[in-house]
Amino acid sequence: SYVLTQPPSVSVAPGETATITCGGNNIGSYGVHWYQQKPGQAPVLVIYYDNNRPAGIPERISGSNSGNTATLTISWVEVGDGADYYCQVWDSSSSDHVLFGGGTRLTVL
Amino acid sequence: EVQLLESGGDWIQPGGSLRLSCTDSGFTFSSSAMGWVRQAPGKGLEWVSDINGGGGTTNYADSVKGRFTISRDNPKKTLYLHMSSLRAEDTAVYYCAKVITNIYWYFDLWGRGTTVSVSS
Repeated sequence: SYVLTQPPSVSVAPGETATITCGGNNIGSYGVHWYQQKPGQAPVLVIYYDNNRPAGIPERISGSNSGNTATLTISWVEVGDGADYYCQVWDSSSSDHVLFGGGTRLTVL
Repeated sequence: EVQLLESGGDWIQPGGSLRLSCTDSGFTFSSSAMGWVRQAPGKGLEWVSDINGGGGTTNYADSVKGRFTISRDNPKKTLYLHMSSLRAEDTAVYYCAKVITNIYWYFDLWGRGTTVSVSS
């Protein structure tokens, strides 16, 4: 079955740029979506279809997807960006057709 | 404000059954696919099941197939997850979510979750 691989943790200082990757075999051929989950809260969609932001998501958050890696980029990181981030794809050829990555904890130092 | 609200989570012994509910407010429930995603304590997100707007098409994760049943009552704007033969590994927060099914599926609205604890 298809597997999405994320680094367990990423740390950045406020004002820097955070890059969170999501690896998968030829993931560039899938639409990748990203969710932010703060402690004790439900996930929130922050990027859909690789690089689209829902209403209310700041332009500092962006996404890209090519080859075997999708990337979530958070520019000018703020303390409030500290959260777990999950990538997700839909694989119509798999019985488990909705797949999540293992998640990456972003720590703002 | 558009929101989803889950209920029905409880502590239950292994082998038992439970029904979760999710009610919607603020969007056209009957035209939206809906799903359940769970999160075990300290773990990541795991897709459980989804159902199309009319209720005629359902999908299940292999880990719950044959034990869980998703359904919906559109006039009541309510989504259900019937869980049976529960196991300790089913312990999790269960979120309902609205599914966008244009080309690639994703979840654009989530409830706050309801907690299911399976233990003896």
